[in-house]
Amino acid sequence: DAGITQSPRHKVTETGTPVTLRCHQTENHRYMYWYRQDPGHGLRLIHYSYGVKDTDKGEVSDGYSVSRSKTEDFLLTLESATSSQTSVYFCAVQEEQGLNTEAFFGQGTRLTVV
Amino acid sequence: AQKVTQAQTEISVVEKEDVTLDCVYETRDTTYYLFWYKQPPSGELVFLIRRNSFDEQNEISGRYSWNFQKSTSSFNFTITASQVVDSAVYFCALSEVTTDSWGKLQFGAGTQVVVTP
Repeated sequence: DAGITQSPRHKVTETGTPVTLRCHQTENHRYMYWYRQDPGHGLRLIHYSYGVKDTDKGEVSDGYSVSRSKTEDFLLTLESATSSQTSVYFCAVQEEQGLNTEAFFGQGTRLTVV
Repeated sequence: AQKVTQAQTEISVVEKEDVTLDCVYETRDTTYYLFWYKQPPSGELVFLIRRNSFDEQNEISGRYSWNFQKSTSSFNFTITASQVVDSAVYFCALSEVTTDSWGKLQFGAGTQVVVTP
């Protein structure tokens, strides 16, 4: 257990509204990631962070922004939610580089945009 | 670009049967990691196994075993003597190892395993 908490766990929002999802970790891992899970696509990387204030885009970053002002928190923002952003969002963390590391995932946030 | 293909959408078996999940990957990197994750109906993602690209030794861990073959870019996963609790979606994933892309996972679409009593 990497001490990952995602909030909220469920959210329904209206098209056009801003939404922020939070990922909080307690283990001071350097690397953090946001993925979305959709049927037929597995999980796809939205954004990732390799340190405080160091972030970069993933495969499906359009319509999303992120911020990491503290090691423990990685925020994902949908500036203006659209129905295509209805999905399950997972946060993941990973230790420093090394041979025997793997990503640990949060419980997921189910977001519905109506 | 990396790509992971899990051609099997769903596999249904009766308890105690063996289940083999196929995974084929594409990458231009010579060093990479391969993973299998399990997602039970409760929704969380559970790490199962990891393999480094430079270690093709196949292993068994309890009821799980895997067959990693670089020559065919395959990383297949087998559950021996399946149980109802093995019912889940299983994801194969590939990870780069460069500094600025550490840990970024490329997932396959997943294979739903249904084990009936």
